[in-house]
Amino acid sequence: DVKVTQSSRYLVKRTGEKVFLECVQDMDHENMFWYRQDPGLGLRLIYFSYDVKMKEKGDIPEGYSVSREKKERFSLILESASTNQTSMYLCASRRGGEGLNEQFFGPGTRLTVL
Amino acid sequence: TQLLEQSPQFLSIQEGENLTVYCNSSSVFSSLQWYRQEPGEGPVLLVTVVTGGEVKKLKRLTFQFGDARKDSSLHITAAQPGDTGLYLCAGEAGGFKTIFGAGTRLFVKA
Repeated sequence: DVKVTQSSRYLVKRTGEKVFLECVQDMDHENMFWYRQDPGLGLRLIYFSYDVKMKEKGDIPEGYSVSREKKERFSLILESASTNQTSMYLCASRRGGEGLNEQFFGPGTRLTVL
Repeated sequence: TQLLEQSPQFLSIQEGENLTVYCNSSSVFSSLQWYRQEPGEGPVLLVTVVTGGEVKKLKRLTFQFGDARKDSSLHITAAQPGDTGLYLCAGEAGGFKTIFGAGTRLFVKA
């Protein structure tokens, strides 16, 4: 049974704190993604990684950074959390190659920044 | 910029009714996907359509890809409470990126 796990389901942080969101997949997938999901806006891509130590900015990278030191783990970092980063954060993984391969999602982390 | 627009945004129906939700774009996509997201969970893939005019069936769900590959629809026959969730369409945006529509939130009342 394939699995993408995220370190926390719910997280409450204060403005200015550094926040780490961890994602682990057990499918040996090359590609990993971080999205945020807000009502009426759908899933917006923050960053993605197509291989270990490789990363690319998505559509809304400002205020975020990522790290992928191992194939199975992709971390999202909020350097200095702000209230407008309150959202649901979803991690996904996908095997590499051409075409629209299936993305497997984690359960999400609901982050509240006070 | 490629966009996927989904309609309606919200749908509340009685068990047993039929419904159709739409995913439209002004851009051509090589393929489109439909995902369902249940409360408290991440999206799960339902289907991928790759050929213009293609129709795929998954039990009571029928997916259609438009001839011009710019739009898709999802039809549910005899909806059940277990169909409740957020339905998202997604398309390949080039490179490694996928773009998602904002979703249709479906609520099926028993």
